[in-house]
Amino acid sequence: DGGITQSPKYLFRKEGQNVTLSCEQNLNHDAMYWYRQDPGQGLRLIYYSQIVNDFQKGDIAEGYSVSREKKESFPLTVTSAQKNPTAFYLCASSIDNTDTQYFGPGTRLTVL
Amino acid sequence: AQRVTQPEKLLSVFKGAPVELKCNYSYSGSPELFWYVQYSRQRLQLLLRHISRESIKGFTADLNKGETSFHLKKPFAQEEDSAMYYCALSRSNYQLIWGAGTKLIIKP
Repeated sequence: DGGITQSPKYLFRKEGQNVTLSCEQNLNHDAMYWYRQDPGQGLRLIYYSQIVNDFQKGDIAEGYSVSREKKESFPLTVTSAQKNPTAFYLCASSIDNTDTQYFGPGTRLTVL
Repeated sequence: AQRVTQPEKLLSVFKGAPVELKCNYSYSGSPELFWYVQYSRQRLQLLLRHISRESIKGFTADLNKGETSFHLKKPFAQEEDSAMYYCALSRSNYQLIWGAGTKLIIKP
């Protein structure tokens, strides 16, 4: 493992607070993705970025924001507008948007 | 609607028995399908994709467009196959739609 890292592993926040999840990759991949995983459900795409300084909304972008200022980094901010933020968040990257996705270890966010 | 369905949340088989994890999809275009696997305490990783038509760790999967299925099969299960398996479909914009996953338990 290695190549794509997420931090922290566990995150606790109070309701109403924004929180930023980190995702870094040293694989020189152009494309990066954020997914949300809830129990008993498949992964759902939040945002994706095909290239630096560009990103698009996925299926469930409401209440989230991202930036892609560097090729290596794709942080996700969970805002107070996200109605049900408690979930497991996975970051992935791929050489381009047609290729195999490589996943980070995930961040479990709990909003109290 | 574009959808991937894995009808079994849990599948338990004995070591040495055949395994089949089911995946059905709904998609109007030409599908590209994948199986990803997550072993205990490891990251989610690609197992195989249908365009490669290869066998990985003894697993194969054939795309059946008539039945809109992409079932994952292995003739003789091994204990190390115990894991969570996800089927995924690539849409025309290359974004993946995921099934809910099947937990495979191989009993000794």
